[in-house]
Amino acid sequence: GEDVEQSLFLSVREGDSSVINCTYTDSSSTYLYWYKQEPGAGLQLLTYIFSNMDMKQDQRLTVLLNKKDKHLSLRIADTQTGDSAIYFCAEVGDNTDKLIFGTGTRLQVFP
Amino acid sequence: NAGVTQTPKFRVLKTGQSMTLLCAQDMNHEYMYWYRQDPGMGLRLIHYSVGEGTTAKGEVPDGYNVSRLKKQNFLLGLESAAPSQTSVYFCASTGHPGEQYFGPGTRLTVT
Repeated sequence: GEDVEQSLFLSVREGDSSVINCTYTDSSSTYLYWYKQEPGAGLQLLTYIFSNMDMKQDQRLTVLLNKKDKHLSLRIADTQTGDSAIYFCAEVGDNTDKLIFGTGTRLQVFP
Repeated sequence: NAGVTQTPKFRVLKTGQSMTLLCAQDMNHEYMYWYRQDPGMGLRLIHYSVGEGTTAKGEVPDGYNVSRLKKQNFLLGLESAAPSQTSVYFCASTGHPGEQYFGPGTRLTVT
């Protein structure tokens, strides 16, 4: 079945770049997503990439997709304390009504 | 435009009691979802709906029932609560399965 995997924790210094990685198994995924969950809140869509793209940049966020290796990454430039949150990658394949979420990566930013 | 709202925000139940969680959205979305979030487990889909009057099982449906009598509302019922159902419950809605809008969550404790 479909599976999405992420490492559980990442700790970075304020001002550095953060890279959060994700691997997925469903080769038919048409879109891949990154969601952010701040403490005590629901998830918010951060960005997404279409499967025929290799890269997408949105201000401090860069999404890289390696479709051959089924690897997705989210790079946050100049990481700030406000970026501390849990980040989830997710995929939805063709003809499916559901998102498959990874287990989430907790990003901790220290001064 | 309130987005997705959930009622109640917190609840404590005794084993065997029943309750209903209400999710409401004002974005005219067709799709609605109920998830539970437990530490280290990510988000797990309980039930979902692709339109008014429809429901479908997700990954962990046992012990829960749902109804979608009106397009804007999605109800999650626990008929006989068990301690294993202690969790944070999130509702989400969308017009496209990937771009989901989440409610703030309901924290449920079953003693």
